[in-house]
Amino acid sequence: QQQVKQSPQSLIVQKGGISIINCAYENTAFDYFPWYQQFPGKGPALLIAIRPDVSEKKEGRFTISFNKSAKQFSLHIMDSQPGDSATYFCAASMGGTASKLTFGTGTRLQVTL
Amino acid sequence: DVKVTQSSRYLVKRTGEKVFLECVQDMDHENMFWYRQDPGLGLRLIYFSYDVKMKEKGDIPEGYSVSREKKERFSLILESASTNQTSMYLCASSTAAVYGYTFGSGTRLTVV
Repeated sequence: QQQVKQSPQSLIVQKGGISIINCAYENTAFDYFPWYQQFPGKGPALLIAIRPDVSEKKEGRFTISFNKSAKQFSLHIMDSQPGDSATYFCAASMGGTASKLTFGTGTRLQVTL
Repeated sequence: DVKVTQSSRYLVKRTGEKVFLECVQDMDHENMFWYRQDPGLGLRLIYFSYDVKMKEKGDIPEGYSVSREKKERFSLILESASTNQTSMYLCASSTAAVYGYTFGSGTRLTVV
C-alpha cells in the first residue's frame, strides 16, 4: 500500500515561476515530513523538513506548507531557477529521527528559460 | 566531506547469479538502509539496520538479504538475481542526533 501519495508526476515551470508539489499521507502517526532533491546520477539529498507542530517552514526559496487536518503537505519553490530542475521526493516517518522513511513516488521538475 | 560510498556505479549480472552490493559510510552512523528506486514507484525500503548484526525487513524484502558485520558497512545480497530486480539501488545512513538521511550515489543493476 502507498502511504504517501505525491503529485504531480512531472512539472514544467518557467524561470521565475512558482513550483508546487503536493503530498498526502494516511498514517496519522507520522511526525516528520522531509523533502529530498535528486539530480541525475546522484542520490537524493535532504532539502527541507517539517514537524507537525508548525504549519509552515521556509528556507530561502523553499517553503513547506503543512495541513495536519487534511493530512497534506506541499513544497513551494519560489522564483524557480533552471538549477532547480531535479526530481523531488516527499517522505514521512514516525517515532523520531532514526526511523525509516516512507517516500512518495517523486516529481520530475523542469524549469525552462 | 562525509559520505556514503557504494562500491559499484553500474553492474550487469546474469539471472540466477548471487549478487553483492556494498555500502560503506564514514560518519559513524548507527542506522543504515537499502532502497530501490524505480520510475513511477519512488524509493521503496528493502532492509534496514539500527546496529551491527541487526537487521529488519522493509516493505519489499523478498529475494534480498543483508549483512552488517561492521558499523560502517551494510551489504545487500540478491540470493538468485532475477530480471525484475533490475533497478537503481540506493544505500543511506542516518543518526539519531541529526535529522535526515545521507544517500550514496546509487548502483544501477541490470539483470539479464
